[in-house]
Amino acid sequence: AQSVTQPDIHITVSEGASLELRCNYSYGATPYLFWYVQSPGQGLQLLLKYFSGDTLVQGIKGFEAEFKRSQSSFNLRKPSVHWSDAAEYFCAVAVTGTASKLTFGTGTRLQVTL
Amino acid sequence: NAGVMQNPRHLVRRRGQEARLRCSPMKGHSHVYWYRQLPEEGLKFMVYLQKENIIDESGMPKERFSAEFPKEGPSILRIQQVVRGDSAAYFCASSPPEQGGRGEQYFGPGTRLTVT
Repeated sequence: AQSVTQPDIHITVSEGASLELRCNYSYGATPYLFWYVQSPGQGLQLLLKYFSGDTLVQGIKGFEAEFKRSQSSFNLRKPSVHWSDAAEYFCAVAVTGTASKLTFGTGTRLQVTL
Repeated sequence: NAGVMQNPRHLVRRRGQEARLRCSPMKGHSHVYWYRQLPEEGLKFMVYLQKENIIDESGMPKERFSAEFPKEGPSILRIQQVVRGDSAAYFCASSPPEQGGRGEQYFGPGTRLTVT
């Protein structure tokens, strides 16, 4: 079965600094990969997704993520963080070729200091 | 263009009561997924439904939990005889038919269930 690891439970960055959130997955083939963001008390919003093709994908709100097959990673990046980016970030995978469930990591809570 | 709607947003039940959570998918979406989020944890898949069919219920507890997605009306997640451990946020997601295989899902705001 597939699994997702987000090794950083909590990250604090200063506003304007760069950000990288780590995500590693375990799966026998290349899965579909997603990053979601959850603000307190809210649902999840899709930031970006990777299905195939270009390994660097652009998302909303200035986020991007790079798929690295050799490292089984799909790290999320942003060049300059804004205070409004403070939230919980979830990496997720879906098994390819099936209409199926998402498997989520445990999330990384981002705090932004002014 | 309304998104995924869930109601109620907050639900309080005493131990032993029943909880009914409703989810209306986005217009045109025929795939519905339910997830549970326990405090300080990620989301865990519970069940995947299409109209009048349960496709995958591998994440559903064996007892007290059931789900349906009738031909007409919202999808319902039903929890009978709730216990304190059922306290969690329950999220519904939907996807259109052509994207069901790609897993791109749109989430509702969730129902926060508190069992007292």
